[in-house]
Amino acid sequence: KQEVTQIPAALSVPEGENLVLNCSFTDSAIYNLQWFRQDPGKGLTSLLLIQSSQREQTSGRLNASLDKSSGRSTLYIAASQPGDSATYLCAVRILTSGTYKYIFGTGTRLKVLA
Amino acid sequence: SAVISQKPSRDICQRGTSLTIQCQVDSQVTMMFWYRQQPGQSLTLIATANQGSEATYESGFVIDKFPISRPNLTFSTLTVSNMSPEDSSIYLCSVEFVPGDATAQYFGPGTRLTVT
Repeated sequence: KQEVTQIPAALSVPEGENLVLNCSFTDSAIYNLQWFRQDPGKGLTSLLLIQSSQREQTSGRLNASLDKSSGRSTLYIAASQPGDSATYLCAVRILTSGTYKYIFGTGTRLKVLA
Repeated sequence: SAVISQKPSRDICQRGTSLTIQCQVDSQVTMMFWYRQQPGQSLTLIATANQGSEATYESGFVIDKFPISRPNLTFSTLTVSNMSPEDSSIYLCSVEFVPGDATAQYFGPGTRLTVT
């Protein structure tokens, strides 16, 4: 059974720091991995999508890497800002019983201090 | 990406009643999903809404409690039946969309449900 874990569960950093969020999954048979951002009480906003054949994706100050064989992905945020404060979730797309679905990680709650 | 709307955005309901949540997408999609997010928790998949057939429920979720309709490729509803305070959560619908040659998931804004 696929399980997705995110470390750390919570993180508080001063503005301007570079930081790394981690996502681990137990079964390497994934089709893609997606990083999301969730503001309190809101829906999820897609940040980056990495296909299983890709190693990394970049968007602005965000860079996500994927090491499928070791079951790990990292989200790198450069020069953090208070507006980056949110919960970050990773999700893997898997095929099970003939149906595609997504398994979500436990989330990392980030607070960037001004 | 797809634009997804949900109604209502929030509601406060009494125990024993039912609430139907609507999810509308601005383009036709094959896969639609319903999730529950309990306070302080991550997302748990309730079911996959299949167009023209019964929804596929995850372990721990049953049709009598969470009936789902999917009458076409742009719309779905989730009903939370016979509610109890334990049903207080954010309910989210999502769709699978293919931007370019990649398949990604996009979410609606969610429905915040409080059961008293």
